[in-house]
Amino acid sequence: GAVVSQHPSWVICKSGTSVKIECRSLDFQATTMFWYRQFPKQSLMLMATSNEGSKATYEQGVEKDKFLINHASLTLSTLTVTSAHPEDSSFYICSARDIWEGSYEQYFGPGTRLTVT
Amino acid sequence: SQQGEEDPQALSIQEGENATMNCSYKTSINNLQWYRQNSGRGLVHLILIRSNEREKHSGRLRVTLDTSKKSSSLLITASRAADTASYFCATGLSNSGYALNFGKGTSLLVTP
Repeated sequence: GAVVSQHPSWVICKSGTSVKIECRSLDFQATTMFWYRQFPKQSLMLMATSNEGSKATYEQGVEKDKFLINHASLTLSTLTVTSAHPEDSSFYICSARDIWEGSYEQYFGPGTRLTVT
Repeated sequence: SQQGEEDPQALSIQEGENATMNCSYKTSINNLQWYRQNSGRGLVHLILIRSNEREKHSGRLRVTLDTSKKSSSLLITASRAADTASYFCATGLSNSGYALNFGKGTSLLVTP
């Protein structure tokens, strides 16, 4: 089956630093990837839609200058949390759709737990 | 904005019993999906039902969809302790490249 990986799986950083999270589709091509954020005991909230070769589309309330998304290839999207603060601590999950598949199914990465101290 | 709403928020049953979770949504959809998430882990896709389908089965899972009531249900039969997890319904957003709008989830605990 289609596999999506994320790196790192967890990261601890100091307030004010930037953190980059990678999302890769390992065995399929994805023109579109999605980034979600999940706070403890809550549901996933869509942050942005990442499109290969173009700018990401951000959901209302998500600061695009703080959460930089780059989708440089059909298998890689990155999310950079700039000048991280403790309130950015969360579980970040990406997903991807297989462009050759006609279904709506998305494949999710295992998530990245970010803790900002 | 959050569209799906699951109920119950939490469900505790014994092994062997059936577990039913419900999901309601607000706008028109072209598909609805159910996912499972073990604590602190990623999501596992369980089943997708299209808007023109009313019922779908996969192993011990049975999903129904009632578009007139904008609701769906997930039934897990003969539950096992390994089914303990959070279950989310999600609807596709056609104007966002089919990003998913997740409900709040049902936390299921299956005790031996």
